[in-house]
Amino acid sequence: QSVLTQPPSVSEAPRQRVTISCSGASSNIGNNPVNWYQQLPGKAPQLLIYDDALLPSGVSDRFSGSKSGTSASLAISGLQSEDEADYYCAAWDDRLNGWVFGGGTKLTVL
Amino acid sequence: EVQVLESGGGLVQPGGSLRLSCAASGFTFFSHAMTWVRQAPGKGLDWVSSTSGTGGTTYYADSVKGRFTISRDNSKNSLYLQMNSLRVEDTAMYYCARGHGSLTTAELDYWGRGTLVTVSS
Repeated sequence: QSVLTQPPSVSEAPRQRVTISCSGASSNIGNNPVNWYQQLPGKAPQLLIYDDALLPSGVSDRFSGSKSGTSASLAISGLQSEDEADYYCAAWDDRLNGWVFGGGTKLTVL
Repeated sequence: EVQVLESGGGLVQPGGSLRLSCAASGFTFFSHAMTWVRQAPGKGLDWVSSTSGTGGTTYYADSVKGRFTISRDNSKNSLYLQMNSLRVEDTAMYYCARGHGSLTTAELDYWGRGTLVTVSS
């Protein structure tokens, strides 16, 4: 059971918009930045969003992040087939003194 | 180009030991915290351990505390994970990841391809 809670799966049609939620606690999301990682099938994770809403260089602006209190969200607009992947939220946890991850959300583009 | 490359994985019996290595290149190694994250087959990401840029601060997940030791050699641009008393549940792909800054709380911005550890009799 993961410390951060994400839906196991989401699906949406191409060119539509989808959001993935991530729920935590005051010791992690409530007090530290949230990061999102994309893991394409058979590949290593890669940083998608950092500091709640910032995009690393080279990441499409179709991806966006937000945070409110102890919850965060990842939004993907203009869905494309290549967006099919597992998405993980993560935050440092001050009580555990370590990184905590969500269980991952599998995105299917219909 | 920033690169981190893991090695040292393999098949080991329960109770055995293994030492993973992560070779870093393309950046000033001592300026960055480093982290090990694992992923059991078909499962999600699971944080294992982190060390600050100097190696003076280390943290461990409760599941590995007392069995695993993280270390780094900044003169060799290398990160290590000594794994002792291995259990079947330690079976996973182990990823080495770079922190954006020297503190362990910095986001993990570059990940290696991973090295597979299988614990089985």
